[in-house]
Amino acid sequence: DTGVSQDPRHKITKRGQNVTFRCDPISEHNRLYWYRQTLGQGPEFLTYFQNEAQLEKSRLLSDRFSAERPKGSFSTLEIQRTEQGDSAMYLCASIKDGADGTQYFGPGTRLLVL
Amino acid sequence: AQTVTQSQPEMSVQEAETVTLSCTYDTSESDYYLFWYKQPPSRQMILVIRQEAYKQQNATENRFSVNFQKAAKSFSLKISDSQLGDAAMYFCAYRRSGGSNYKLTFGKGTLLTVNP
Repeated sequence: DTGVSQDPRHKITKRGQNVTFRCDPISEHNRLYWYRQTLGQGPEFLTYFQNEAQLEKSRLLSDRFSAERPKGSFSTLEIQRTEQGDSAMYLCASIKDGADGTQYFGPGTRLLVL
Repeated sequence: AQTVTQSQPEMSVQEAETVTLSCTYDTSESDYYLFWYKQPPSRQMILVIRQEAYKQQNATENRFSVNFQKAAKSFSLKISDSQLGDAAMYFCAYRRSGGSNYKLTFGKGTLLTVNP
């Protein structure tokens, strides 16, 4: 078990470009969460999946954001037409139903929009 | 909506000493979970300790213990015999017990510095 992994770890892009992040959860975990963490703040919930179904999206997730988990394994988070306000750390976490409820976090993808 | 407040943006402690990080929360729920997560610089967030609200006994994990005061909605973390490796950002987090979304609500964090 290698833990939750995220790719890339860092991304620098220009305003208006599209970016996509990937998260690979712990293999037997069926729930996957995305959070956003800005400087000086704690992580904030964006969206989550139970298996391949996206069940809830935060108001923070504007129409420019889309997330998928096509086969209930890895997930992608895409941001279209990036804005400087999108600069943040994007964290992924996974959890197994029926376990002790602990969320296991990945190392995050740090996005900088110039 | 639930909120989590960490009133200490920064704390420092001498190596081998004890430090307590504060956390208060607001919820109308009677059953929930509380967590302390540690985020070292440029490394991933890891769970330090968790507490179920229905349990009166305070959780402990080696050098880490909590003081859970349900009526006061307070959940402080005590680190004993502080080590240099304890230096990190510490986040207090809340999660509802019921419902289908296990999302965490975090405080803004406390940056802990450990002085040798």
